[in-house]
Amino acid sequence: AQSVTQLDSQVPVFEEAPVELRCNYSSSVSVYLFWYVQYPNQGLQLLLKYLSGSTLVKGINGFEAEFNKSQTSFHLRKPSVHISDTAEYFCAVSAQGGSEKLVFGKGTKLTVNP
Amino acid sequence: KAGVTQTPRYLIKTRGQQVTLSCSPISGHRSVSWYQQTPGQGLQFLFEYFSETQRNKGNFPGRFSGRQFSNSRSEMNVSTLELGDSALYLCASSFLNSPADTQYFGPGTRLTVL
Repeated sequence: AQSVTQLDSQVPVFEEAPVELRCNYSSSVSVYLFWYVQYPNQGLQLLLKYLSGSTLVKGINGFEAEFNKSQTSFHLRKPSVHISDTAEYFCAVSAQGGSEKLVFGKGTKLTVNP
Repeated sequence: KAGVTQTPRYLIKTRGQQVTLSCSPISGHRSVSWYQQTPGQGLQFLFEYFSETQRNKGNFPGRFSGRQFSNSRSEMNVSTLELGDSALYLCASSFLNSPADTQYFGPGTRLTVL
């Protein structure tokens, strides 16, 4: 079985500051990793995903994430955030032969202040 | 392409009733998954359907059921509603049922059980 831990439930930052949202996973098999964003009263939107290859993955809206197999981490970063980035961010994992389609972390609420 | 649509968007029911939620996937997508989102438990996988067959099921009681039609549209049913079933129910579709596939989420159905 797979599990995901998002280490921070809330992250407040000022506009134009850099941000890192942390995600660690646990799995006995190889996994695929995803970051989704959820704006208020909306569904989830894919930011980026890691399937294989380069460990640095670039996504939409200037976000990127780095896969670190030895540390079983997949942290999300953005060098300069905007007010519009205020949302909840979910890290998720899937695996071949897994019983669940996607296993999500509990989410990190990012609040960007002016 | 139209996105994933879910109907209705909001529902209010009372304990003991049953409810049916509907999901129309993106055109051409054959896999539909359902998730329950609550403040306490976060996002939890309910089940996945592909080509009208249930492929995976999460850890939910038998009161939660679903089906998929030949046009890939899906419904989920919850019988004998309990207060704890109040949640946002999200549907997601993908082209295949591979764990590497991106899932595209609908806006969700907000169910309130009184």
